[in-house]
Order: sequence, then structure tokens, then C-alpha cells
Amino acid sequence: NAGVMQNPRHLVRRRGQEARLRCSPMKGHSHVYWYRQLPEEGLKFMVYLQKENIIDESGMPKERFSAEFPKEGPSILRIQQVVRGDSAAYFCASQTPETYEQYFGPGTRLTVT
Amino acid sequence: DAKTTQPPSMDCAEGRAANLPCNHSTISGNEYVYWYRQIHSQGPQYIIHGLKNNETNEMASLIITEDRKSSTLILPHATLRDTAVYYCIVRVKAAGNKLTFGGGTRVLVKP
Repeated sequence: NAGVMQNPRHLVRRRGQEARLRCSPMKGHSHVYWYRQLPEEGLKFMVYLQKENIIDESGMPKERFSAEFPKEGPSILRIQQVVRGDSAAYFCASQTPETYEQYFGPGTRLTVT
Repeated sequence: DAKTTQPPSMDCAEGRAANLPCNHSTISGNEYVYWYRQIHSQGPQYIIHGLKNNETNEMASLIITEDRKSSTLILPHATLRDTAVYYCIVRVKAAGNKLTFGGGTRVLVKP
């Protein structure tokens, strides 16, 4: 039973480029959360999605960031025109439908040069 | 979600029990106590959760006081691989309830 998968594990982008981070939840999970961890800080919630719907995006920066979870395929966190301050570890978690525990992926480490 | 208070760090001897305290004096009746840990920048790992009764699984035990204002996570036989930041989180068990991570307790298991 595969866990939450994220790719790429490491991503390097130059300022102004776009970053696309992918998250495949555990089998049978249709709820996905994205969290960001800045260097030396704790994890902060960004967005909560169900299949084809954004339910809570209260933690998303107002500009340049977007997320989707299509009917088929992984959830995508997209960052347009990246800046150095976007350098962080981005984790996604999927949630069990009955007991609501969240299980995390290994994260994507984004470095903006 | 209620806030939690944890000591910033603690050391533990390998092979001994590690007792990690957490205060959550404003916890509501429908909020559960969850514990996660993060080992050196890996994704957080779910450990255990409980409402009012003590809980035990293959990883740890969770002791919740009768008034539910505090709890203790017990790692019965700490190993070097248990070195991590441990997070105590209280939340309603429902879809859409995000995890709010505080500072956690940085546990160092020493040989």
C-alpha cells in the first residue's frame, strides 16, 4: 500500500520561472492538504482540496500560487514567477476518509536561485 | 483549534522511556489530541491520537489527564531513530480540519 507520493523531491528554479509540485494521495484518499515549511520554521497550512474542488485556501498567498486536484491525476501546487522567498519544503498530506488522520508525503524542496 | 504548549527541547537516553508533555488547557469537548513527529526535514509522521481515554499503538502510548487539559506521549524504549521534533496538536476530528503546528519539542536521544 503505497504512501503519499510527491515529485519532484528537489526542484531548482530561477527567479521568475514557474514551479509545479505534484502530490499523489494514498489509495482511496480523496482529500489533500498542502503545507509549506520555510527554513527553520514550522509547517504552515496552505490549502485543502477534494477532487475537483478547493475547499479551504485560507493559507495560500494571494498572488502567484494556485492549486488543483483534478478528477484524474495528482494534485498540483503551482507557483508562478517564483521569488527567493518561495524557497521552502512543500508537503502534501492525504486524509483517511473515516478517521481523518493525515498522512504526509516526503515533500518537495524548492530552491529559487 | 485549541493551542498547545510544549517544552522546546528534551534529551533522552537510548533504551529509556521518553515522556513528552503537552498542555492544552483550552481544549474543547470535541477536540482530539494528535501527535506527529518530523525526523530531520522528512514529512511529518502520524504517531497517535486520543479523545479522553489512554491509547497505545505500536509506536507509543498517549496518556490524557481526566480533565483533558494536558497529555503525555510516551515512547517506551527510545532509540536513536526517535530523534525528531514532536508536535502535539488538538483538533476536531473532521474533514477539512487542518493541522496547526506549533514549535514542538525537539527530542534528542543520546547513546
